[in-house]
Amino acid sequence: AQSVTQLGSHVSVSEGALVLLRCNYSSSVPPYLFWYVQYPNQGLQLLLKYTTGATLVKGINGFEAEFKKSETSFHLTKPSAHMSDAAEYFCAVSVGDSSYKLIFGSGTRLLVRP
Amino acid sequence: DTAVSQTPKYLVTQMGNDKSIKCEQNLGHDTMYWYKQDSKKFLKIMFSYNNKELIINETVPNRFSPKSPDKAHLNLHINSLELGDSAVYFCASSGQYSNQPQHFGDGTRLSIL
Repeated sequence: AQSVTQLGSHVSVSEGALVLLRCNYSSSVPPYLFWYVQYPNQGLQLLLKYTTGATLVKGINGFEAEFKKSETSFHLTKPSAHMSDAAEYFCAVSVGDSSYKLIFGSGTRLLVRP
Repeated sequence: DTAVSQTPKYLVTQMGNDKSIKCEQNLGHDTMYWYKQDSKKFLKIMFSYNNKELIINETVPNRFSPKSPDKAHLNLHINSLELGDSAVYFCASSGQYSNQPQHFGDGTRLSIL
């Protein structure tokens, strides 16, 4: 069965520092992977997705993620954190073919210190 | 224009009551979903509909009844509300293929007194 593990429920970085949020997945078939961000009292916004092709995926707001099949990982990075990046981040894997569902990780709260 | 809109944004009610949450999407998607986010922020799918037909029902109590009058709308009716139903409920929509992202509404925060 597909699953997603996000290591670290909270990650704290200084403004301007590298952001690294970890995601590992388990899937019996080639996965489609997504990162979403949730700001307080808002819905989930898509940051980026991996489906096929290039394993380094660029998203919005300067985020990128690299799909590593050998490590079953899809870690999210940003070279320089901004205060506005403080939010909850969710990694997800899609399950099924048509009319699929998303299996979410437990989320990582990113805190950015001034 | 809001792509996926839910109403109401907040819902406070007492145990035992019946309530509904409405969802509409203007993205032309065929598939719509309901997710539940608990107090620890964990997200879990409840239902999905494709073109008005129920596709996924994730062992949700039958007090929860989704209804899709057309493919742009998916409403959620909850009977006999319980304390454990307190959560944020998100509606989402997508194209029908698993490589297409889901688009989420802003959520409905349900609080049971």
